[in-house]
Amino acid sequence: GQQVMQIPQYQHVQEGEDFTTYCNSSTTLSNIQWYKQRPGGHPVFLIQLVKSGEVKKQKRLTFQFGEAKKNSSLHITATQTTDVGTYFCAGKVVNNDMRFGAGTRLTVKP
Amino acid sequence: DSGVTQTPKHLITATGQRVTLRCSPRSGDLSVYWYQQSLDQGLQFLIQYYNGEERAKGNILERFSAQQFPDLHSELNLSSLELGDSALYFCASSVRSGGLDTQYFGPGTRLTVL
Repeated sequence: GQQVMQIPQYQHVQEGEDFTTYCNSSTTLSNIQWYKQRPGGHPVFLIQLVKSGEVKKQKRLTFQFGEAKKNSSLHITATQTTDVGTYFCAGKVVNNDMRFGAGTRLTVKP
Repeated sequence: DSGVTQTPKHLITATGQRVTLRCSPRSGDLSVYWYQQSLDQGLQFLIQYYNGEERAKGNILERFSAQQFPDLHSELNLSSLELGDSALYFCASSVRSGGLDTQYFGPGTRLTVL
């Protein structure tokens, strides 16, 4: 079936370095959502993007939705230890429900 | 606290057995989703219910079934359990169906099959 692919699977950074995770779909997405799951926790909604080319910022986090609405990215500037966790994208393929990417697990070395 | 509750928190059982996981959505939410998360794995969508009716089906095994009751709580039934069914099972709820609403996740039920 239609899949939402997410890379990388793992990312280990030094505190203060930047981090980016990418989400790709072979088909057009109606919207995309990003979630964060802390170790031992449950996924928590971060943001939703709907418009082509949309960019949203939350403090050090920048979310982008591609012009073709087939890809998205989450960029964290100057990572902190509190950013540790797994970041999931979830895309809604037209006429289908949300499908989650496999997630990118971020670890931050102090 | 997301407002979504799941019981039990932990469940340990043996192969071949049957278990029922329960989920109560946030007040006012009509959609309930079930996900399976194996160790170090992503979220595998299992099934979605909206206002009592099955709305979408994902990678759900035939040994698994679910339902949503008139009071909107949902149950996920897992039968003929195998070792590979050991995982964290999340329930999520949203106001509507259609994928434009935020999904609020419960704390999960950790199932261990011995």
